[in-house]
Amino acid sequence: GQNIDQPTEMTATEGAIVQINCTYQTSGFNGLFWYQQHAGEAPTFLSYNVLDGLEEKGRFSSFLSRSKGYSYLLLKELQMKDSASYLCAVSLTSGTYKYIFGTGTRLKVLA
Amino acid sequence: DADVTQTPRNRITKTGKRIMLECSQTKGHDRMYWYRQDPGLGLRLIYYSFDVKDINKGEISDGYSVSRQAQAKFSLSLESAIPNQTALYFCATSVGGEETQYFGPGTRLLVL
Repeated sequence: GQNIDQPTEMTATEGAIVQINCTYQTSGFNGLFWYQQHAGEAPTFLSYNVLDGLEEKGRFSSFLSRSKGYSYLLLKELQMKDSASYLCAVSLTSGTYKYIFGTGTRLKVLA
Repeated sequence: DADVTQTPRNRITKTGKRIMLECSQTKGHDRMYWYRQDPGLGLRLIYYSFDVKDINKGEISDGYSVSRQAQAKFSLSLESAIPNQTALYFCATSVGGEETQYFGPGTRLLVL
């Protein structure tokens, strides 16, 4: 079957660094996405990893290890506005659907 | 103006009623998707369409149907709504060859 696991909730302090992990077991892996979703709003794209390694984009970085079925999203210099859910999603090369999402990690940033 | 719009934004209906949720996009994307989001279950794909003549079932299509009226419009219908279809529904779009999806603002549906 297809499965994505990520922690349900995390708490961190403003200005700190937080790492949100995602592990997946899928058939026909193509790439891994991270989306940010503020409460009651639409998910918005953060990053996309196809190859192993680290992709850096401003305060956000995303890492992928295809052999380990593992990814993480690293958020630096946390701000209050980073309080949101972070969704890990995998795109598949085969199957009846192209995308599966994890249940999301709700991040609370405290002052 | 938003690139992906959904109407209505909120809807309350009764069990057994037929309802339609609509999605329009001005991004010029060929691919469109319908998801539902439930607390603790994440986003689940209902249907997707890679072009006007291509409709595919997703993970949870039972009880739903779709219509792709034009490249820019993709509608989701609940033929006979039931309470466990109460959820937040999102439409999304993408360009063929690129995997990033762009989401509409969502429709909050309550079935009594």
